[in-house]
Amino acid sequence: NAGVTQTPKFQVLKTGQSMTLQCAQDMNHEYMSWYRQDPGMGLRLIHYSVGAGITDQGEVPNGYNVSRSTTEDFPLRLLSAAPSQTSVYFCASSYDGNQPQHFGDGTRLSIL
Amino acid sequence: DQQVKQNSPSLSVQEGRISILNCDYTNSMFDYFLWYKKYPAEGPTFLISISSIKDKNEDGRFTVFLNKSAKHLSLHIVPSQPGDSAVYFCAARGGGTSYGKLTFGQGTILTVHP
Repeated sequence: NAGVTQTPKFQVLKTGQSMTLQCAQDMNHEYMSWYRQDPGMGLRLIHYSVGAGITDQGEVPNGYNVSRSTTEDFPLRLLSAAPSQTSVYFCASSYDGNQPQHFGDGTRLSIL
Repeated sequence: DQQVKQNSPSLSVQEGRISILNCDYTNSMFDYFLWYKKYPAEGPTFLISISSIKDKNEDGRFTVFLNKSAKHLSLHIVPSQPGDSAVYFCAARGGGTSYGKLTFGQGTILTVHP
């Protein structure tokens, strides 16, 4: 039982490059979300999904896109990376929005 | 506008003693509160939660207290163990259109000395 799997674990990008952070869960969870963690800021919600085909914005959505074509996968796309997007990104999932979320181990992203 | 605040960046306690981690919130629409524990290079792990209709929830060595009038919650760990050393985040969730969305505090680094 892998839980929530995030890839890659580390990535360095140049300003303006695009990339996709992958997130997959094998628990048949309907609710999935993306957070970023910055020093002194805790975790902030970027985007979330209540089920396949349904996504919505969180607290800090600008510069990020998401899609949810399957229950298992919830990729996060940076279309044109900016240094302000340097952060640690966590994906999480739960059976529904009322259950505690299970987190992946994060992707550490640096943008030069 | 930080709706959930953990005002103590760090806490140091001796093994066997009590650890008390505090969290304050401003949004009265929050109806569910959670504590997560995070080790370095790992994702947060759910620890314990409490609904706004309760004032206490206990799970083994961990107890969460909620004071709604003061908009304050605390996590008590008794007795503290060196393996409890980690970053602790409190999080809050609102109802209605905020379905599932968590608002996190900044975290408190707990160090338990042997």
